[in-house]
Amino acid sequence: DAKTTQPPSMDCAEGRAANLPCNHSTISGNEYVYWYRQIHSQGPQYIIHGLKNNETNEMASLIITEDRKSSTLILPHATLRDTAVYYCIVSSPLYTGANSKLTFGKGITLSVRP
Amino acid sequence: NAGVTQTPKFRVLKTGQSMTLLCAQDMNHEYMYWYRQDPGMGLRLIHYSVGEGTTAKGEVPDGYNVSRLKKQNFLLGLESAAPSQTSVYFCASSYVSAIPRTGEAFFGQGTRLTVV
Repeated sequence: DAKTTQPPSMDCAEGRAANLPCNHSTISGNEYVYWYRQIHSQGPQYIIHGLKNNETNEMASLIITEDRKSSTLILPHATLRDTAVYYCIVSSPLYTGANSKLTFGKGITLSVRP
Repeated sequence: NAGVTQTPKFRVLKTGQSMTLLCAQDMNHEYMYWYRQDPGMGLRLIHYSVGEGTTAKGEVPDGYNVSRLKKQNFLLGLESAAPSQTSVYFCASSYVSAIPRTGEAFFGQGTRLTVV
């Protein structure tokens, strides 16, 4: 699996957009970018994933650069409840056999301030 | 749907004791995973399974065994617990499908294990 690099922490003001960067310069052609978050000590929660096109769902937007070497997770209007550790993961799709698994790094700690 | 349920939620073991952690999912998922998380660390994959009757090693499999006798259950065993196995254990499951949206994995709420 390709590795990812994330800054250890960042903060943003409540109500503002939070832009979380991730570098994955060794990503291969069939690997997706996944984002998960972990609030306090709970189990990780899926946010979004994408291959090469930008993606948006009810939680967030994912912007992937044209060369696919980096991506940005955007929380459009951060709330205090978005304070969490956010993991950027690169992996083959979960439906392609034994090599399809999620490898978590240390993630980025997002602190949303009032 | 209960999703992914882990049993027990908390446990204290003495060094050398054995125990089994149970993970149950009711979503008919093919894939199941066991992770451990230590303070300040991300999750590390212990073992995983891509279907009933199959298991495979992850990053940190030593000291653990697993079984997937039924599709809905994935058991993690510690034969002789050591203090280094003090951790929070998370189980997860995911679909097998050609639809990209189903790249999502669902996690349980964790089992906090202390080995003294």
